[in-house]
Amino acid sequence: GAVVSQHPSRVICKSGTSVKIECRSLDFQATTMFWYRQFPKQSLMLMATSNEGSKATYEQGVEKDKFLINHASLTLSTLTVTSAHPEDSSFYICSARGWGGANYGYTFGSGTRLTVV
Amino acid sequence: KQEVTQIPAALSVPEGENLVLNCSFTDSAIYNLQWFRQDPGKGLTSLLLIQSSQREQTSGRLNASLDKSSGRSTLYIAASQPGDSATYLCAVGSGGYQKVTFGTGTKLQVIP
Repeated sequence: GAVVSQHPSRVICKSGTSVKIECRSLDFQATTMFWYRQFPKQSLMLMATSNEGSKATYEQGVEKDKFLINHASLTLSTLTVTSAHPEDSSFYICSARGWGGANYGYTFGSGTRLTVV
Repeated sequence: KQEVTQIPAALSVPEGENLVLNCSFTDSAIYNLQWFRQDPGKGLTSLLLIQSSQREQTSGRLNASLDKSSGRSTLYIAASQPGDSATYLCAVGSGGYQKVTFGTGTKLQVIP
């Protein structure tokens, strides 16, 4: 079945530094990937939609200069949290939708727990 | 804008009981609806995917139904087990890029 690999699973960084999170589709080509953020005891909120070879589409209220998204190939999208602050601490998760297979649903990565100290 | 609501927010049942989780959505023009489970601190595990043309899907003890016209889906869990304890999320694909909107989740606890 479709597998999405997300790395790292956990990261602790100092305030002011940048952190890159990778999302890879392992056995299918993902034309579109999505990035979500989840605060404790809340549901997942879509941050942005990433399309291969074009600029990401950000949801209202999400700072595009702070959360840089790059979808350079059909199997890789990255989210970079720039100049991280403690309020950016959260659970980030990506998902991918591929075409051509029996499964037209969404496959999710295992998530990244970001802690900014 | 699509809005997805899940009721109840939390549910506690004794082992062996059958239960129903509810999901409602405001925009019936959907592509698909997917049920996930999320264990504490973990990612999402896909349970069932229902395409917009389908009315239900079954997998083992799980059965999910979809009524697009009324904007509702239910997840039926038969003979619940302690291992079923998790948060269950309903996710609706709609709009441009088939964007996924998540429900608020139902936290299920199955008591041995």
